[in-house]
Amino acid sequence: GGIITQTPKFLIGQEGQKLTLKCQQNFNHDTMYWYRQDSGKGLRLIYYSITENDLQKGDLSEGYDASREKKSSFSLTVTSAQKNEMAVFLCASSISWGEAGQLYFGEGSKLTVL
Amino acid sequence: GDSVTQTEGLVTLTEGLPVMLNCTYQSTYSPFLFWYVQHLNEAPKLLLKSFTDNKRPEHQGFHATLHKSSSSFHLQKSSAQLSDSALYYCALSLAHAGAKLTFGGGTRLTVRP
Repeated sequence: GGIITQTPKFLIGQEGQKLTLKCQQNFNHDTMYWYRQDSGKGLRLIYYSITENDLQKGDLSEGYDASREKKSSFSLTVTSAQKNEMAVFLCASSISWGEAGQLYFGEGSKLTVL
Repeated sequence: GDSVTQTEGLVTLTEGLPVMLNCTYQSTYSPFLFWYVQHLNEAPKLLLKSFTDNKRPEHQGFHATLHKSSSSFHLQKSSAQLSDSALYYCALSLAHAGAKLTFGGGTRLTVRP
């Protein structure tokens, strides 16, 4: 089996600060995702990367940047943290873009903005 | 656009009673439907996936039937266990959209003794 590791688990930032979340997977999966989890709103796709060197915007990309440094890693940057923002960011991977639905998730990174 | 609706945000049950969590969807195409489960402080993981041949998927006592006529994929279990307490997400994907998933808002199930 494999694992998805997200760092840090908890991130506290200041309003306006640029904050970066990192994700590593050892499944050797092609496709990686960043989702935002908010209570009552489900999981919303921020960015995804079909293969190494690819980057695609999801439904919630405004205010975020992403980077697929190599096949195993995918980073997400909050470009300007919003005051009182609280959310959990989930990284996920799938074998390939063609494999519908089988996503493997990390445990999440919880962001708090003071 | 495509969407998934889970009408109950919170469901509380007594152990041993049946579970039914609602999921309906809107899609121009015939989607695949999924249920994901997330226990406290854990990662979400796949619970069930709809089949193209109308078989009913089952896992850990849970099952769901895709009804295209009513655009539904409700999650059911005959007898709730304490360990079923978790956050449940219904999601859909489209064959032409690859592995991209659209999630519902989630239902938090609490099972009490």
